[in-house]
Amino acid sequence: AAGVIQSPRHLIKEKRETATLKCYPIPRHDTVYWYQQGPGQDPQFLISFYEKMQSDKGSIPDRFSAQQFSDYHSELNMSSLELGDSALYFCASSLPGLAGIEQYFGPGTRLTVT
Amino acid sequence: AQKITQTQPGMFVQEKEAVTLDCTYDTSDQSYGLFWYKQPSSGEMIFLIYQGSYDEQNATEGRYSLNFQKARKSANLVISASQLGDSAMYFCAMRGALLSNDYKLSFGAGTTVTVRA
Repeated sequence: AAGVIQSPRHLIKEKRETATLKCYPIPRHDTVYWYQQGPGQDPQFLISFYEKMQSDKGSIPDRFSAQQFSDYHSELNMSSLELGDSALYFCASSLPGLAGIEQYFGPGTRLTVT
Repeated sequence: AQKITQTQPGMFVQEKEAVTLDCTYDTSDQSYGLFWYKQPSSGEMIFLIYQGSYDEQNATEGRYSLNFQKARKSANLVISASQLGDSAMYFCAMRGALLSNDYKLSFGAGTTVTVRA
């Protein structure tokens, strides 16, 4: 079965650089969530999209922006990277509404900022 | 606001024995969903089991069962017949009211399970 695809899987950037993380949801899933998991931490919700519109926003820094495109893939753009941005970034997708009880997680992108 | 509490940072269990992972939650929503995810050292988040707040039966999925006690606001995960491959971090998570469009997950701090041969 198709799963959520995230690219790249690993990314190394220097401070003050920018990074773009991509997420390709499972076919027919139109809802995408982004989570950030710092070392030894639980995942924290960043932002979500439903039908290409932002549906909810969590503790996402102003340096980060995201969008969902017409093919439902999503990109998380991160600028002026800081050491504290080093984390595992998950994308999850789900069906809309009550059919979307389960969120399917991608393998994650491990971002290291040096 | 929702809060998930997992009070066991780490647990050891003997292979083939059962283990119970504690999870308590706090929410003002009348309807909500509770989840358990497994995160092995490789990092991926693997969905294990789901319990809806209005489900009368405790959820079961193979060797996983969820001991849901609504009045006590607890949703403990029971893993039966532990296997070496069960060694991982386990997260309890909650989703908001089903008709609220609040579908983001709030996670607990996690419990590390180590299965000994």
